[in-house]
Amino acid sequence: QVQLQESGPGLVKPSGTLSLTCAVSGGSISSSNWWSWVRQPPGKGLEWIGEIYHSGSTNYNPSLKSRVTISVDKSKNQFSLKLSSVTAADTAVYYCASRDWELLGDAFDIWGQGTMVTVSS
Amino acid sequence: SYVLTQPPSVSVAPGKTARITCGGNNIGSKSVHWYQQKPGQAPVLVIYYDSDRPSGIPERFSGSNSGNTATLTISRVEAGDEADYYCQVWDSSSDRVVFGGGTKLTVL
Repeated sequence: QVQLQESGPGLVKPSGTLSLTCAVSGGSISSSNWWSWVRQPPGKGLEWIGEIYHSGSTNYNPSLKSRVTISVDKSKNQFSLKLSSVTAADTAVYYCASRDWELLGDAFDIWGQGTMVTVSS
Repeated sequence: SYVLTQPPSVSVAPGKTARITCGGNNIGSKSVHWYQQKPGQAPVLVIYYDSDRPSGIPERFSGSNSGNTATLTISRVEAGDEADYYCQVWDSSSDRVVFGGGTKLTVL
């Protein structure tokens, strides 16, 4: 059973870069899964940020694309998110999530517990 | 960009049937997935490919999709079903995931 665990700073200064890592356990990051980041501002809905395949192929939300980089580290079985030029509007719970495109297509069946990131000076 | 529209809230009495809709342009041509999210928890997939249930999801949860509306139906609603529900599709025109705005299900 694949499990995901987010980690990273809970506080980021405005104009800085938000950096998070998602550790994959119970399975290989080189499987048939796409690996995503999803965020949820306090009291609001879910917003997809982007995803990566183990080959390095990526898809990003056009509304965030200019500020987002998602990368994969196969040696550590983890993937990461960098979001630059952050503002208070980027304050949210950040989830990593996964979809097995062979089994479930574009449905996310595995989610991390989420990590709260606050943008404030 | 593709937009999914959900009602902000739905209320239902215990034991009754709740229906949560998700509207989108020709959504019937897409695969719709549904998630349940309880306060302080990560979302959980409850329906995928319009009407399939993952292992462990009660048969009370079902889904349909046609035309411009997809529907999540919860039969014999229980207090434990109170949660936010989100629909989701893949927008192939822009290669991105789209979530609906979410519906808060209240069990009266």
